[in-house]
Amino acid sequence: DTAVSQTPKYLVTQMGNDKSIKCEQNLGHDTMYWYKQDSKKFLKIMFSYNNKELIINETVPNRFSPKSPDKAHLNLHINSLELGDSAVYFCASSQTVAGATDTQYFGPGTRLTVL
Amino acid sequence: RKEVEQDPGPFNVPEGATVAFNCTYSNSASQSFFWYRQDCRKEPKLLMSVYSSGNEDGRFTAQLNRASQYISLLIRDSKLSDSATYLCVVNGNAGKSTFGDGTTLTVKP
Repeated sequence: DTAVSQTPKYLVTQMGNDKSIKCEQNLGHDTMYWYKQDSKKFLKIMFSYNNKELIINETVPNRFSPKSPDKAHLNLHINSLELGDSAVYFCASSQTVAGATDTQYFGPGTRLTVL
Repeated sequence: RKEVEQDPGPFNVPEGATVAFNCTYSNSASQSFFWYRQDCRKEPKLLMSVYSSGNEDGRFTAQLNRASQYISLLIRDSKLSDSATYLCVVNGNAGKSTFGDGTTLTVKP
């Protein structure tokens, strides 16, 4: 009965490869997010979707492409992986757009290591 | 200047101590404010929302000062289990949350 789940939990891959991370929430929330937490533990928003529509895209390279097939899923595809992409990627969801008082619920994270 | 700035830390305190964390934000139009807690190698989880009137949840008290654009978190009677990184979060409009860089707390026996 996990609220926000991500797969895989760990991902180790070579530079130049393409990989995807999947996220699903069973909370019935309208809004989902991708965050990146780097080695210094700084957590930065990358994308936000509300009802399958992209509402935030924070200066993220074009190699990163989110896709939301429905409001319960938000996947992240990364092309041509680089060393600097190594980080923990967190998916999150909230009831509505986070301009109000909604809590964000985070998935357990995907630890990506690019060799 | 960062949009959200927190005390650099780390804070190392003995059990039973009272500890306070501060956070300032630059956007006066910010709408809502939170403290999240992140344990090592885990996801962030909501600790508490922060209201202008101040709010308390057991040993934790949060305050918001909109005029000074300042948020605080006070932890009384620290427990070993309070050891974690505490993240100040500020929500603007259009769905954007900005996280502070976090303050690490270690409570020692």
